[in-house]
This record gives sequence, structure tokens and C-alpha cells, in this order.
Amino acid sequence: NAGVTQTPKFRILKIGQSMTLQCTQDMNHNYMYWYRQDPGMGLKLIYYSVGAGITDKGEVPNGYNVSRSTTEDFPLRLELAAPSQTSVYFCASSLGLESPTEQFFGPGTRLTVL
Amino acid sequence: QQQVKQSPQSLIVQKGGISIINCAYENTAFDYFPWYQQFPGKGPALLIAIRPDVSEKKEGRFTISFNKSAKQFSLHIMDSQPGDSATYFCAASKDSRGAGSYQLTFGKGTKLSVIP
Repeated sequence: NAGVTQTPKFRILKIGQSMTLQCTQDMNHNYMYWYRQDPGMGLKLIYYSVGAGITDKGEVPNGYNVSRSTTEDFPLRLELAAPSQTSVYFCASSLGLESPTEQFFGPGTRLTVL
Repeated sequence: QQQVKQSPQSLIVQKGGISIINCAYENTAFDYFPWYQQFPGKGPALLIAIRPDVSEKKEGRFTISFNKSAKQFSLHIMDSQPGDSATYFCAASKDSRGAGSYQLTFGKGTKLSVIP
């Protein structure tokens, strides 16, 4: 199993550009998450999904959109990139049964908006 | 409102010493408390987790101590090694399957450096 994979690893965007961060998991997990990590701030939840076709906002959703058409994929869309979106983005997945289970994280995408 | 407060922000420990990282939470609905370890350039990985029905959980050199009345929990790393040098995050989650997805609220992290 590859686990959780993310592409690209690095990206530089100009202000106002858009892009999609890709996330795929091969563990047949129901739940998937997108976090952003800023220095000294921990991880903040952007969006999450409890299954294909179901998504919901996390703590910091503004400026982002998600979709979940399959169990495996959970892309994160940035529209009109802003310098405040410079961050490291992590996708994660978990089995999601009757109680919290381990979240498995991808390697991250480092995004810089100039 | 920071729901999980973590301290210290950074920690330097001699090889063989004990590393102690503390977290405090505010929401009494939290009932799952994991610790994640992150090496530079990598995603976080689960290290150990505890539920509030026990006061301590030990896995090898890593121990979580949990104080429900004080709403505090801590990570102890015994016999710390240079390979333990990483950033450690505490987190908390509610058993909210009906309302959400067991969202984790993370502390801000502790950068641990173990020097030989």
C-alpha cells in the first residue's frame, strides 16, 4: 500500500492564480481531511469528508473548495490564491468506524503564493 | 479560542534523559487524545493515543499520563535518543460520529532536540 499520496510536493503560485492539490489514499478509508500547517501554529482543519459525495467545512475553509467523487480521491482547490495561503498542506485519511481511529497523513505539499 | 494548549514550544534534552511535553484542553466533550510525531519534511504520524477511561498508557519508551479532573495530559519519553528529535503534537477529538468526523484539534507543537 502506498498509503496517502499527495501531488505536487512543491508549488509556487502568483497572486490570483488557481490550482488543485491532489490527494489519493489506497486504504479504503471512509474519512479524509485537509489540513494546513503554518510555523508554530499546529495543524488547522480546512475541509473534511466522511464518504464519497459528502464534504464539510473545518476550522479554516475560506478560499478553498473540495470535492469527493470517489472513496480514494479528495482534491483541494484554491481559487484566487493569496499570500495568506502560503503554507504546507497535508491530506489525511482514517477508517472512521464507531470511534476515532488513527489518521494517516500524506507527505504534504509546500505552497508559496507570491 | 485555542482549545488545546501545548507546552513547551521547544525542548532540549540530553541523550538518555526524560522528555516531558504537556497539554491542557478546555472542552470536556473531548474523549480521544493522540500524540503525533513529525520529522522535518514529513507528514505527522501517530505515536500513541489514550482515552479518558485510563490514567496512563505506555508503549515502549513513550508514556501518556492523563488527568481528567485537571483536563491535562502529557507525553513522557524515557531514555531519549537523538532519533527522537522531531516535532510532537498533542491533539484531542470528540466522539462526534453523528455530527462530524472525529475532527482533531491540535496543539501548536513542541520541537524536541535530543543532544548526544
